[in-house]
Amino acid sequence: QEQLQESGPGLVKPSQTLSLTCTVSGDYSPGGGYFWNWIRQSAGEQLVWMGRLEGDGTTFYNPSLKSRVAITGDMSKNRFFLSLTSVTAADTAVYYCARARVGEWAFDLWGRGALVTVSS
Amino acid sequence: IQMTQSPSSLSASVGDSVTITCRASENIDTFLNWYQQKPGKAPSLLILSASSLQSGVPPRFTGSGSGTDFTLTISSLQPEDFATYFCQQSSITPYTFGRGTRLEIK
Repeated sequence: QEQLQESGPGLVKPSQTLSLTCTVSGDYSPGGGYFWNWIRQSAGEQLVWMGRLEGDGTTFYNPSLKSRVAITGDMSKNRFFLSLTSVTAADTAVYYCARARVGEWAFDLWGRGALVTVSS
Repeated sequence: IQMTQSPSSLSASVGDSVTITCRASENIDTFLNWYQQKPGKAPSLLILSASSLQSGVPPRFTGSGSGTDFTLTISSLQPEDFATYFCQQSSITPYTFGRGTRLEIK
């Protein structure tokens, strides 16, 4: 059974870069057919889609994050990554990686989430 | 696209039926998904494409609607159904979520 798992520092200083990794495990074939997403949830429970990585390397980002976000990946090694620059306290959240199947456009598999706190 | 859910919270008893509504700020056809989230856990997909039940989800969960107005109905509430529910549009990026409906035990 496939699983997603986020990993990375739980504490980041203001103005620095938040970096997380999502590892796909289980019966996974990197043959495409999926989009790989990052979604965050603040303490107020609002879910925010941050962006996605497609099988051919194409990316789409949420304009609300302006140019601070980047999603890259190496799906041949079952991993994709989130980078968020110039963080502030407002970026404190639980960060989820999630999969969406092409054609269904719903997040059918989620990681457990990684709490990242921005504080000096 | 802005997604507006109502109510923001709701109390019900085991065995009751409840309905949660979600309104999109523009036409999203049937590109609407519903998720359940329990405290400390990731959201879990319940309904995709407005009315298709995700594999493994009990049939007491039903979704309907198209265009701008959608509903999630949970019939015969079970103890494990008390959670927060979110709608999400997948019509156009950036994908957006409703603010959630917290379903509590009366």
